[in-house]
Amino acid sequence: NAGVTQTPKFQVLKTGQSMTLQCAQDMNHEYMSWYRQDPGMGLRLIHYSVGAGITDQGEVPNGYNVSRSTTEDFPLRLLSAAPSQTSVYFCASSRDSVANYGYTFGSGTRLTVV
Amino acid sequence: EDQVTQSPEALRLQEGESSSLNCSYTVSGLRGLFWYRQDPGKGPEFLFTLYSAGEEKEKERLKATLTKKESFLHITAPKPEDSATYLCAVQAGGATNKLIFGTGTLLAVQP
Repeated sequence: NAGVTQTPKFQVLKTGQSMTLQCAQDMNHEYMSWYRQDPGMGLRLIHYSVGAGITDQGEVPNGYNVSRSTTEDFPLRLLSAAPSQTSVYFCASSRDSVANYGYTFGSGTRLTVV
Repeated sequence: EDQVTQSPEALRLQEGESSSLNCSYTVSGLRGLFWYRQDPGKGPEFLFTLYSAGEEKEKERLKATLTKKESFLHITAPKPEDSATYLCAVQAGGATNKLIFGTGTLLAVQP
């Protein structure tokens, strides 16, 4: 029972490079989200999806793209990395919109942009 | 504007010394208030969801309560393994998937 799996765990990018953070869940959850966590700012929502083929922007979407072609996968793409995107990124999934059962978070990807 | 404020930022307790963490919130129509535990280098782990004022939930040494403006996480007779960052989050009415998080309280329990 893997839950939410994020890869890679650590990544260093140069400014201007692009990359994709992978997220996969095996719980058949419809709702998936990407958050970033920065010191002193709490977790902030980047993008979310309410099901395959449906995505929407969160609080801080600029510089990021997402797609949801399957229920299981929700990759986050950085188009042109900037130092301001240095952060810890968490993927989360939930069974329903009110999160009665709580969001399940992955273990995170620590990204450094130099 | 929807907002969540947690206090204190950090709390150091002796093993067995009970205390409370505070989460104050301003939100347009609360759908749910969530408590999470986060260990260093890991993702948040779900603890509780509270839906309406007066509601209480318990799990081992933790008890969460909710009023119309704030929530408390009471820790009774804590043990060193309770050391972690505790996060509070709210889901506003009409927001199907968005949680607004506080910055957390870092709890250290010394043996």
